[in-house]
Amino acid sequence: SQQGEEDPQALSIQEGENATMNCSYKTSINNLQWYRQNSGRGLVHLILIRSNEREKHSGRLRVTLDTSKKSSSLLITASRAADTASYFCATGGGSNYKLTFGKGTLLTVNP
Amino acid sequence: EPEVTQTPSHQVTQMGQEVILRCVPISNHLYFYWYRQILGQKVEFLVSFYNNEISEKSEIFDDQFSVERPDGSNFTLKIRSTKLEDSAMYFCASSATPGGAYNEQFFGPGTRLTVL
Repeated sequence: SQQGEEDPQALSIQEGENATMNCSYKTSINNLQWYRQNSGRGLVHLILIRSNEREKHSGRLRVTLDTSKKSSSLLITASRAADTASYFCATGGGSNYKLTFGKGTLLTVNP
Repeated sequence: EPEVTQTPSHQVTQMGQEVILRCVPISNHLYFYWYRQILGQKVEFLVSFYNNEISEKSEIFDDQFSVERPDGSNFTLKIRSTKLEDSAMYFCASSATPGGAYNEQFFGPGTRLTVL
């Protein structure tokens, strides 16, 4: 089984529409984080939600976390062409330091 | 805004050669990490480093790999004898407090390693 599986694998929308990406995980976590990666570039931290939080907002981003279902969603409202990127969820938990990443969702926002 | 930097941005090497990838973490951060991403695959954890020692490592991080903080600012990843399968993007990350379990990690832009 794999920690941090996003769906859909790819999402194509028009500028101005909302984009929703989902992430499921297997083990217990302390937090879940979302990162963005533009093609061939580094990872940009977007938002962190802790296991005792259910929802968090940052600008046009809204993240939810359901620990009973071991799932999270990332909503980007009023998308822009510049939002085109891969989006990854990453989980941290237990006594370790590492983040465990999912395979990511490739979001394409068409102008 | 402070950021993690990595050099070089692209490294090409011959199989069997040693490579050193360099990172300058954010200056007041204490925890340092290396991850890699093989083309088209997940970002994978390699190693975390705190207080001049490895705090955690993955199965990928075998004897061919080593990390060092040679001075107060640099954090390096050495691959002793590169293999074709080491070709990947290598990301350095740092955090002020234990990342992963508690807080966000800040990533550098990556070094693309190509082993021929």
